Amino acid sequence: AQKITQTQPGMFVQEKEAVTLDCTYDTSDQSYGLFWYKQPSSGEMIFLIYQGSYDEQNATEGRYSLNFQKARKSANLVISASQLGDSAMYFCAMREANFGNEKLTFGTGTRLTIIP
Amino acid sequence: NAGVTQTPKFRILKIGQSMTLQCTQDMNHNYMYWYRQDPGMGLKLIYYSVGAGITDKGEVPNGYNVSRSTTEDFPLRLELAAPSQTSVYFCASRRQATYEQYFGPGTRLTVT
Repeated sequence: AQKITQTQPGMFVQEKEAVTLDCTYDTSDQSYGLFWYKQPSSGEMIFLIYQGSYDEQNATEGRYSLNFQKARKSANLVISASQLGDSAMYFCAMREANFGNEKLTFGTGTRLTIIP
Repeated sequence: NAGVTQTPKFRILKIGQSMTLQCTQDMNHNYMYWYRQDPGMGLKLIYYSVGAGITDKGEVPNGYNVSRSTTEDFPLRLELAAPSQTSVYFCASRRQATYEQYFGPGTRLTVT
């Protein structure tokens, strides 16, 4: 089974609109973390936001928020007031740590294009 | 403060050749990671290290070796390069207390 599933290979959104990028995950661990990274066309990986499994509040960082629904095993990224510079690939990732061994799994990504 | 630096930026190898991808961080981070990203895919973890002298395998370690003799450096060695190792390689690091990883700019490797 896929550990991280991103079902939207591509999305087109009008500038200034909000956008939700979907991510579902699969783990049997109680303690884990979920990340979102942005990869512009230049290729670098940029950290956006992190949510721990025990965090009660949804994580927010500026225009980014993570809609964490533990029972549904989903960790969607919400970008408010989208900008042209938001056009990029977005990756959801999960961290699991078992007995000191760290596992990091990335999804296949969603390509977001912001239309002026 | 340069962050995470990787050399080289690009490399073409012939099948069977060997090379070392260099990674250095100047943030005194304990944790360091090597990933590969195949075209159109997410990143896959090759190896990671939780401190000098300690390394562990990730999801796709076959064909690679690592060492961590200092906090700053985490080189990745490819022995007997194969076309399946054509990929973009990213090095990353983080502090022990947080989970945010800082990535280097990547090395684009082609094996022909």
